[in-house]
Amino acid sequence: NAGVTQTPKFQVLKTGQSMTLQCAQDMNHNSMYWYRQDPGMGLRLIYYSASEGTTDKGEVPNGYNVSRLNKREFSLRLESAAPSQTSVYFCASSVRSGGSTDTQYFGPGTRLTVL
Amino acid sequence: GENVEQHPSTLSVQEGDSAVIKCTYSDSASNYFPWYKQELGKRPQLIIDIRSNVGEKKDQRIAVTLNKTAKHFSLHITETQPEDSAVYFCAASRNNNAGNMLTFGGGTRLMVKP
Repeated sequence: NAGVTQTPKFQVLKTGQSMTLQCAQDMNHNSMYWYRQDPGMGLRLIYYSASEGTTDKGEVPNGYNVSRLNKREFSLRLESAAPSQTSVYFCASSVRSGGSTDTQYFGPGTRLTVL
Repeated sequence: GENVEQHPSTLSVQEGDSAVIKCTYSDSASNYFPWYKQELGKRPQLIIDIRSNVGEKKDQRIAVTLNKTAKHFSLHITETQPEDSAVYFCAASRNNNAGNMLTFGGGTRLMVKP
């Protein structure tokens, strides 16, 4: 099993450009998450998807959109990138949809720089 | 919402000494407390977790304690080794029907000097 994979690993954008970060998991997990990690800080939840077909806002959703394409894939889109979105983005997944507290497994991250 | 504070932000110890990292949380409904280790340029990896129905959990050289009344939990690493050097994050979450929404502390950079 590859676990949680993310593409691309690195990306440089100009202000105002758009892009989509891809995430996939092969562990048959129901829940998936997007976090951002700024230098010297902890991770902050952007959006999550408790199950296929559902998405909800996390702590810092402004400027982002998500799509739960199917059970395996959860993408994060920046419609008009801003320098404040320069960060490392991590995708994660966990087994169950809710009513429980499951381990989250993280992908390797995407390092995004917005000029 | 939940707020998790973590101390200290940096910790330097001699190889073989113990290290303790402390976290406090604000939401009394939180019932799951994982600890992640993140090496430079790598993904966070779970090292230990504790649920609110227990007060302590051990796994070889690492242990976590939880005080629900005081709303704080701690990570203890004994006999530290240079490979323990990393950033450690605590987190807290509670049961809900929308998945496991973790709130992370700000991290502790642990340096183990050989």
